[in-house]
Amino acid sequence: AQSVAQPEDQVNVAEGNPLTVKCTYSVSGNPYLFWYVQYPNRGLQFLLKYITGDNLVKGSYGFEAEFNKSQTSFHLKKPSALVSDSALYFCAVRDTRGDTGRRALTFGSGTRLQVQP
Amino acid sequence: EAGVAQSPRYKIIEKRQSVAFWCNPISGHATLYWYQQILGQGPKLLIQFQNNGVVDDSQLPKDRFSAERLKGVDSTLKIQPAKLEDSAVYLCASSSGTTHNEQFFGPGTRLTVL
Repeated sequence: AQSVAQPEDQVNVAEGNPLTVKCTYSVSGNPYLFWYVQYPNRGLQFLLKYITGDNLVKGSYGFEAEFNKSQTSFHLKKPSALVSDSALYFCAVRDTRGDTGRRALTFGSGTRLQVQP
Repeated sequence: EAGVAQSPRYKIIEKRQSVAFWCNPISGHATLYWYQQILGQGPKLLIQFQNNGVVDDSQLPKDRFSAERLKGVDSTLKIQPAKLEDSAVYLCASSSGTTHNEQFFGPGTRLTVL
């Protein structure tokens, strides 16, 4: 079974400072990893994904994430936070082993990012 | 391109009543998902369609939940009868092509069961 852990319910950071939102995962095979962001009363928006190749993945709005296989982590990062980055962030995983027709993602419980001016 | 459309956006019902949600995926997307997101949790898959066939409904409470995608485009999710614990946001998502393509989510339907 696949699972995702986001150990922090909330992350607070000052505008202009770097931010990190943590994610660890568990799968049987190799993972496909995703980050989504959710703004109030809106659906989830895709930020970035890791499929294979370079461990550092760049995505939308200046976000990036680093895949670390030995630590089974996929932390989301941004060099300089903006107040508008304040939202709920979800990490998700899909195991590549097993029935390839089943493409559903397993999501973490979410981390609320609060960027203070 | 137009996004995933869902309706209604909000619904309030009494327990034991029935309710239906509608989803129109992005044009050309063969795969459609329904997720349930309970407050404070991440989305959890209810059912996955590939065209008009069910691929995964292992977490769908089949005694009360049903879903269909008759023509391989729009989909309807129904709950009958609703329970208090069904209060959640129901998200529809769609994706295309390969297995690692990202899913595009609709705005969701917020269901409150009283």
